[in-house]
Amino acid sequence: DIQMTQSPPSLSASVGDRVTITCRASQGIDNYLAWYQQKPGKAPNLLIYGASTLQSGVPSRFSGSGSGTEFTLTINSLQPEDVGIYYCQRYDSAPRISFGPGTKVEIK
Amino acid sequence: QVQLVQSGHEVKKPGASVKVSCKASGYIFNTYGIYWVRQAPGQGLEWMGWISVYNGNTKYAQKFQGRVTMTTDTSINTAYLELRSLRSDDTAIYYCARDIDFLDFWGQGTQVTVSS
Repeated sequence: DIQMTQSPPSLSASVGDRVTITCRASQGIDNYLAWYQQKPGKAPNLLIYGASTLQSGVPSRFSGSGSGTEFTLTINSLQPEDVGIYYCQRYDSAPRISFGPGTKVEIK
Repeated sequence: QVQLVQSGHEVKKPGASVKVSCKASGYIFNTYGIYWVRQAPGQGLEWMGWISVYNGNTKYAQKFQGRVTMTTDTSINTAYLELRSLRSDDTAIYYCARDIDFLDFWGQGTQVTVSS
């Protein structure tokens, strides 16, 4: 089974900072990777799919990159409403999918 | 607009079964599959399985094989998750989500509490 890891597990940054979250797959998954944001008490929300394609309606300060085994989610100019937990998800073997363990983002 | 609306909070005793529903609207129900994902308190997202609404094919996570059944009723655009032989560690929020390989629309979640 391909394992997904994320780093860091949590981070605290100031409003306006650039934030980067990394997701790694134990084997190559091409670009079959999605990112989700989960705000407290809410269902996850799709941000990015295909490693770098922004879902409709998602603010342009979010971007994704990577392919193979290493992927990044970047938030340019962190906003207070970006607080939450961010998950990556592989779907190279869909419908057998799996998620990374999550990265908690807080405001300093 | 696409919506997935799930059934309400359930409280069950250990050993019981629970059936969670997920009613879809705003799209043609049988052209997308449905994923089920759960989240234990303070934990991450766990894939439970998937169902093809088109033909009823299912894929279940090994962990739940034998205890889970996913079904759909296309006449009322509703998907169901049944989990049997409940244990305390099945206490979680259960989500349905629309399948386009990734999960583009999610239900609001159903809290299932297993307690004696």
